[in-house]
Amino acid sequence: GAGVSQSPSNKVTEKGKDVELRCDPISGHTALYWYRQSLGQGLEFLIYFQGNSAPDKSGLPSDRFSAERTGGSVSTLTIQRTQQEDSAVYLCASSRSGGPSSTDTQYFGPGTRLTVL
Amino acid sequence: KQEVTQIPAALSVPEGENLVLNCSFTDSAIYNLQWFRQDPGKGLTSLLLIQSSQREQTSGRLNASLDKSSGRSTLYIAASQPGDSATYLCAVRPNDYKLSFGAGTTVTVRA
Repeated sequence: GAGVSQSPSNKVTEKGKDVELRCDPISGHTALYWYRQSLGQGLEFLIYFQGNSAPDKSGLPSDRFSAERTGGSVSTLTIQRTQQEDSAVYLCASSRSGGPSSTDTQYFGPGTRLTVL
Repeated sequence: KQEVTQIPAALSVPEGENLVLNCSFTDSAIYNLQWFRQDPGKGLTSLLLIQSSQREQTSGRLNASLDKSSGRSTLYIAASQPGDSATYLCAVRPNDYKLSFGAGTTVTVRA
C-alpha cells in the first residue's frame, strides 16, 4: 500500500475487555514501531519490531500489553483487561530498516483512538 | 534520559507572517532529528529529517536548522497560510531506534 494503515480508526470498549489493534506497515519495511499518544502526555514509545522479532519491549506499560508481528508484515497490539488509563491514540510507524545504525525516516499511520469507558 | 522540549506550546499568527518553532533536547548524542506535522484526528506527517552531521534541511517554504552541540533545532515556515494550521512535533532519535518526541507546538494561522 501507499502508506501505513491501522484499524480500527476508533475503538470504544468497556473497562475489563480485551482489545486488538492492527497495523499494516508499508510493504517492504522491515522495522515496525508502536507509540502511544495520551492527552497531555505526548507520544511515548511502546515496542519495536525488526522482522518478526521484538528486540525492545521496554515501553510496554504493563504485562496487560502485548504485541506480535507475523510474516514480517502485519502487527497486532493487544491490550488485556483494559483500564481507563489505557485511553489514548495508538500510532504505528514503519521504516525501511531499523536498528541502532538506521537513519531511515519513520512513516506513521493515522492511529487508532481507543476509549475505555 | 533524553528530554525534548518545544516552545511555544501554542502560536497564533496572521496569514503571511513567518513562523519560528523551537525544539531543544538534553542529550546531544543523536542520530537525527525529525519534524512532523499532525492534523486533528490524523497521524503524523514527516516534514523534514536532519541527520546529525547536517546543519539544516529545506523543503519549499520549510527550513529546519540543527545545532547538535547546543541541543537545539528551529523550524521556520515562511509566508504562513491557513493550511499550515496544525500541531508541529519535534522528535530526536538517539543512538537507538526510538524516537523521543516533544509535546508539540499548536499553530493557528488566521486568514
